[in-house]
Amino acid sequence: SQQGEEDPQALSIQEGENATMNCSYKTSINNLQWYRQNSGRGLVHLILIRSNEREKHSGRLRVTLDTSKKSSSLLITASRAADTASYFCATDSNDYKLSFGAGTTVTVRA
Amino acid sequence: EPEVTQTPSHQVTQMGQEVILRCVPISNHLYFYWYRQILGQKVEFLVSFYNNEISEKSEIFDDQFSVERPDGSNFTLKIRSTKLEDSAMYFCASKSLDGSSTQETQYFGPGTRLLVL
Repeated sequence: SQQGEEDPQALSIQEGENATMNCSYKTSINNLQWYRQNSGRGLVHLILIRSNEREKHSGRLRVTLDTSKKSSSLLITASRAADTASYFCATDSNDYKLSFGAGTTVTVRA
Repeated sequence: EPEVTQTPSHQVTQMGQEVILRCVPISNHLYFYWYRQILGQKVEFLVSFYNNEISEKSEIFDDQFSVERPDGSNFTLKIRSTKLEDSAMYFCASKSLDGSSTQETQYFGPGTRLLVL
C-alpha cells in the first residue's frame, strides 16, 4: 500500500541543534507533505514538496525529495523547545487521500 | 487566516449509539476528507468527498459510516452504531484546487476525540 514511513521513530536533541528525520514511500507520488502534531492535538501543515522539486525551504525547515529513492528528509535547524512534537510525512498519489507514516517524535531539551 | 473547525472537541458515547461529528471546511475549498488516529497510531484515511459525492473510501469506512454536506458549509461524519474500536481522534480536512500555490495542501481541523464506552 502507499505509505510514508519515517525514521527514526524518536529523536532527542539539545536546543540549538539540528534535527533530521527521513521518510520513505513505496509508489509514485504527486507531492509529499510534512505535518507537525503536538501531543494529542491537531495536525499543522508545515511544507509541501511536489514530485518535480528536489528541495524546499520554509523558515528553519528544509525538505528534500529524491523520487528515484522514494525518500524525503525534513531538517529543522536551530531547534527550540517549541519544536517538541511528532512529525509526519504524508504522500499524495492522487487527489483523494494522504497516506501518513507512523511519525518521528522529536524532543528538544532545554 | 481561514481554518477548518470541528465540533465537538470531545465526545463520549456508549457502544451502539450513533454519533455525528461536525466540520466546517475552509469556505472556498472543494475537497473534503475525514481521517482518524487511534491513540499512539498513525493517521488513517477514511473518506474523501468532492462534488457532493464520495470520491474514495478506505476499508475502515464500512456501512456504519456515512458522510454528508447538508448545507454547503458543514461536512459531517456519522457513525451509526459505535464500537469500542471506534475510539479515536477524528480529523476533518479540506483542500481547494483553485490554482493557487497552496491548492494541493490539505488543511486539517483540530480534531474530535471520540471515546466509546
